Amino acid sequence: SQQGEEDPQALSIQEGENATMNCSYKTSINNLQWYRQNSGRGLVHLILIRSNEREKHSGRLRVTLDTSKKSSSLLITASRAADTASYFCATDARGTSGSRLTFGEGTQLTVNP
Amino acid sequence: NAGVTQTPKFRVLKTGQSMTLLCAQDMNHEYMYWYRQDPGMGLRLIHYSVGEGTTAKGEVPDGYNVSRLKKQNFLLGLESAAPSQTSVYFCASDMDRNTGELFFGEGSRLTVL
Repeated sequence: SQQGEEDPQALSIQEGENATMNCSYKTSINNLQWYRQNSGRGLVHLILIRSNEREKHSGRLRVTLDTSKKSSSLLITASRAADTASYFCATDARGTSGSRLTFGEGTQLTVNP
Repeated sequence: NAGVTQTPKFRVLKTGQSMTLLCAQDMNHEYMYWYRQDPGMGLRLIHYSVGEGTTAKGEVPDGYNVSRLKKQNFLLGLESAAPSQTSVYFCASDMDRNTGELFFGEGSRLTVL
């Protein structure tokens, strides 16, 4: 079963616009991470936000976390064509034996030049 | 520094055949994981390892076996391939339980006819 669910499934915007993707999850988490996947490639870690954090920034990325609503959002500002990719949220249900990230189904972002 | 390397990148099997996917990491990471990615399903954890000589089942372990004889290598085996195992397989690793960032390989695309 998937812990995280992204919304929307697909998003198409023009270059320069902002892109917002949302993630909802079901159980308590230690942290939530966002990954990016270019077509035919592996996933690349973007940003991690811990359960006691509400907002985090990294370059053009802004992530928020609302543990009361069990949701997170990823905002990409001033988007570029190179931002075209699939974006996944992953929740960490870490137990006593290593990281056990659970991934959502992803949002396919297309940035049109 | 190669990171996480998966071999082979592509493979076509007939039902009932066996094969092994190799994952190698050069970052001295303790934890290694095998995921499969299917359309509309996100990534699902097959097996993982918290150190040399250890393995554990993930979300979808049936039909797969793994071994971690050396710290840098994590092997995923299919003893009798089935069409349902047609997928893209990703290996990942991480070191620090506190950061939780996964490093992914580029994927191995397997087709079972």
